[in-house]
Formats: sequence, C-alpha cells, structure tokens
Amino acid sequence: EIVMTQSPATLSVSPGERATLSCRASRTVSSNLAWYQQKPGQAPSLLIYGASTRPTGIPARFDGSGSGTEFTLTISSLQSGDFAVYYCQQYNNWPLTFGGGTKVEIK
Amino acid sequence: EVQLVESGGGLVQPGRSLRLSCAASGFTFDECDMHWVRQAPGKGLEWVSGISWNSGNIGYADSVKGRFTISRDNAKNSLYLQMNSLRPEDTAFYYCAVVGATEGSAFDIWGQGTMVTVSS
Repeated sequence: EIVMTQSPATLSVSPGERATLSCRASRTVSSNLAWYQQKPGQAPSLLIYGASTRPTGIPARFDGSGSGTEFTLTISSLQSGDFAVYYCQQYNNWPLTFGGGTKVEIK
Repeated sequence: EVQLVESGGGLVQPGRSLRLSCAASGFTFDECDMHWVRQAPGKGLEWVSGISWNSGNIGYADSVKGRFTISRDNAKNSLYLQMNSLRPEDTAFYYCAVVGATEGSAFDIWGQGTMVTVSS
C-alpha cells in the first residue's frame, strides 16, 4: 500500500495570503495524484487531477505541481471560501490511498 | 445534472449486515469506474472499494476485505456495497464517487453520503 503523508496538518493563513500544502508518497505515483477540498458538512470536491490539471470551473488560484513522490498544492490569495480541509489522493495503484488532510484555517 | 445519490445507511448492531446503494444520473454510467469512500466522524477519507466499468476489476481496502462486496448494475445505473459482519469501526459516512464522469482521471463527482452507525 502506498502511504500518502500531508503536511502541515493545520495551516493558519490570513485572507489574501498564499497557502502551500505538501503531499508525499511512500513510492512513486507518477502524476496520478488528485487534490480534493472538503468543507464542513459537505462531500469532498475535486480540485486537481493528474497532479496539475484543474477541472473546468476550478479557479486559477489553485495550482498543483509535482510528480513521482513529491507534490504541492498552492492556493494564491486565499478567499473566505477556501478555508477548508484539503486531501491528496494517489490513484496510481490499488488500494487507492488518501493523505491525512491539511486544514487551512483563518489566521 | 450529474448526480450520485446514496441510500441504505442507518443504525445496525455489530455482526449484522447492511446494503448501500448509489443511484447515478446525468452521465454515461456504464463507461465509468466507481468507488466507495468512507469518513469516520471527525476523521479523514478512507478508500473502501472500487469497481471498473465492466466489473472486470474490483478492489478492496484491507480493512473490509472478506466482509464487504461491491457490485454494480449498469442497466439500472446503480452501484452497491454489501457490508457483512459489521464492526463498530465501520461507523462512518459512506460516499460513492465516480471517475471521469465529466472529465479527468480522479473522483470528479461525489454523492452526498449516507451514514452508517454500528452500535449495540
């Protein structure tokens, strides 16, 4: 099983600032990496797939990068609706696995 | 509208069974892989099981292997999860999710979830 490790667990950021979230895989997942956003009481929603591709409708302030074992999600100029929990997921190998999540909170 | 709607959750005693359903609409169900993901209260996401478009490829998390069975009925646009020998640690919100219903290679659409509580 590929273990996904996210850091930090919690990130305190002021509105308008940049947030940088990290995700590390225990072995290579190529570019088969997705990021999801989950707000309280809601199902997760897809932000990034293929490590760096934004689905239609996702704002450009969400930027994914990386390949292999190291990945980053950068949220530039955080808006009020961006404060949530973010999960990375590898889908290169079954069992699919998620990271433990990064909570982005208002500073 | 692309939509997934789960049903079948509830309160069940340890050792008993429950069957979850996921009704799909708004996309070509029989072309898409489907998955179940769960989330215990206050915890992170855990992949439970997945099934390919033609049921040719099926996988389970170790935590449910031998107890849960995933299946689908493409004629009914429906996904199922048969859960047997339930344990208190199976208590969670259960989400169904689809790969590439609109675009991409990840879980682009999720249902709203159904709560399963295993307790005596």
